[in-house]
Amino acid sequence: NAGVTQTPKFQVLKTGQSMTLQCAQDMNHNSMYWYRQDPGMGLRLIYYSASEGTTDKGEVPNGYNVSRLNKREFSLRLESAAPSQTSVYFCASSDFRVTRNTEAFFGQGTRLTVV
Amino acid sequence: DQQVKQNSPSLSVQEGRISILNCDYTNSMFDYFLWYKKYPAEGPTFLISISSIKDKNEDGRFTVFLNKSAKHLSLHIVPSQPGDSAVYFCAASAFGNTPLVFGKGTRLSVIA
Repeated sequence: NAGVTQTPKFQVLKTGQSMTLQCAQDMNHNSMYWYRQDPGMGLRLIYYSASEGTTDKGEVPNGYNVSRLNKREFSLRLESAAPSQTSVYFCASSDFRVTRNTEAFFGQGTRLTVV
Repeated sequence: DQQVKQNSPSLSVQEGRISILNCDYTNSMFDYFLWYKKYPAEGPTFLISISSIKDKNEDGRFTVFLNKSAKHLSLHIVPSQPGDSAVYFCAASAFGNTPLVFGKGTRLSVIA
């Protein structure tokens, strides 16, 4: 049982380049999330998908786009990377349907550096 | 404006003693609270949670206390072990399928 899988684990981009971070979960969860972690800032929500076919902005959505490809997969795209997007990105999933009180499960993270 | 606040960036505790990590929240709609633990180069992992209908939840060495009137929760680890050294995040959510809101984290160092 892999849980939440993110690819790649590490990436270096030049300013202006684009890339897509991939995330897949095998727990049949309906909700998926993208967070970024920066030193001293905790985990901040970028975008989330409450269920297949829906996406919503979080606290820091500027410069990002997302696609909920299917129930398993939720990708995060940087169209024109900027140094301010240097961060560690975490994908997470949860299943609200099972119980109101449920935790989110996180992937291992993608460490992105924009130079 | 921060809805979940962890005002202590770091905490050092001796092995065997109690670790107390604190968290405050401002959104009165929050009704479910969680603590996550994070080791370097790994994703956060769920530790313990508490619903707003309770004021205490215990799981082994870990106990979370909730004071709704003060909008405050705390995580107690007794006894603390070197393997507990990690960053601890407090998180909260409001009723409905809303995403978790995290605090900035507290780095716990348990000294042998």
